[in-house]
Amino acid sequence: AQSVTQPDIHITVSEGASLELRCNYSYGATPYLFWYVQSPGQGLQLLLKYFSGDTLVQGIKGFEAEFKRSQSSFNLRKPSVHWSDAAEYFCAVMEYGNKLVFGAGTILRVKS
Amino acid sequence: DAMVIQNPRYQVTQFGKPVTLSCSQTLNHNVMYWYQQKSSQAPKLLFHYYDKDFNNEADTPDNFQSRRPNTSFCFLDIRSPGLGDAAMYLCATRGGDFTDTQYFGPGTRLTVL
Repeated sequence: AQSVTQPDIHITVSEGASLELRCNYSYGATPYLFWYVQSPGQGLQLLLKYFSGDTLVQGIKGFEAEFKRSQSSFNLRKPSVHWSDAAEYFCAVMEYGNKLVFGAGTILRVKS
Repeated sequence: DAMVIQNPRYQVTQFGKPVTLSCSQTLNHNVMYWYQQKSSQAPKLLFHYYDKDFNNEADTPDNFQSRRPNTSFCFLDIRSPGLGDAAMYLCATRGGDFTDTQYFGPGTRLTVL
């Protein structure tokens, strides 16, 4: 079965600083990868997804992610974090074309 | 405009008392999912429908059932809630192609007393 590892449970960054959230996946074939964001008490919102093609994927809210097959990684980045980015971020891989398998999530705190 | 709607947003039930959570969608999507998300954990898929075809995850307890009477609506029934079933329940929908995005509702927070 596929699995996703998000090694950082919590990350704190200063407003305006750059951000990188790590994600590693375990999957034999070409993975379909996603990043979702969840604000407290809310559902999940898709930030970006990768299926094929360009390994640098642009998403909403100024986020981007880079797929690196050699490292089995799909790290999420943002050049300048805003206080409104504080939330929980989930990396996910699609399994069997239907099911999302999520990582445990990374909670982002933004300090002013 | 809300696309995936979940009612109620908060549900309190008693131990062993059946409860039904509701999900509706305005996207006309083929696929509807139910996820369980316990506190500080990742969402975990319980089951999904592709049109009328029901697909249960192997480790979903029998206590959890689902109904999809039409394209727009899907229900999650918990027959005898236990304390361990307290969680956020997320509904999601997706179009017919696997490359389509899954859209999530805001969730229903279930408390079991």
